[in-house]
Amino acid sequence: EPEVTQTPSHQVTQMGQEVILRCVPISNHLYFYWYRQILGQKVEFLVSFYNNEISEKSEIFDDQFSVERPDGSNFTLKIRSTKLEDSAMYFCASSPARSSYNEQFFGPGTRLTVL
Amino acid sequence: QKEVEQNSGPLSVPEGAIASLNCTYSDRGSQSFFWYRQYSGKSPELIMFIYSNGDKEDGRFTAQLNKASQYVSLLIRDSQPSDSATYLCAVRAGNTPLVFGKGTRLSVIA
Repeated sequence: EPEVTQTPSHQVTQMGQEVILRCVPISNHLYFYWYRQILGQKVEFLVSFYNNEISEKSEIFDDQFSVERPDGSNFTLKIRSTKLEDSAMYFCASSPARSSYNEQFFGPGTRLTVL
Repeated sequence: QKEVEQNSGPLSVPEGAIASLNCTYSDRGSQSFFWYRQYSGKSPELIMFIYSNGDKEDGRFTAQLNKASQYVSLLIRDSQPSDSATYLCAVRAGNTPLVFGKGTRLSVIA
């Protein structure tokens, strides 16, 4: 069964460093999402992406964040200058369509630890 | 501000019992409702979704939706220790992103 994959599974970085989190969505899906979950807190939406552009973003997704689909398979989230409060699990998700009635399939997540 | 509220638990039930998990939401425009299961350190895994008022059954799971009361619930029959996890309620209005509750931690005691 097709699945969303994410790499790395765990990333440790120093405050102020740039990190790139990678995702490979399900191959025939068109809509891509990043969510994050700070330890013990709720899953929060960051950004959605369709047709090579951002379709929606949350207040969390400030100028330090960017997303890109550099080729036909990868979908990346970049944090330019990491802060301690960026430590969280980051989940990528994909969906075949944008309809309210379509399931979003989640990847296994990347645990980001900022020291 | 769209809110999804869940009792954080833990909800403890004996093996074989029915576990009842509840969720309320603030946005009356919400159209689709999802229950995800999340094991510690893992990603959310979809269990069920419901769009229409009433009940929807899938195996041991039943989702119940009452849009007038802005309330959605998940019943797990014949609870097993492997059902022990955090259950996340998520809602969506139109093409907006999923809004998650904080989750209810369920513990099934053998």
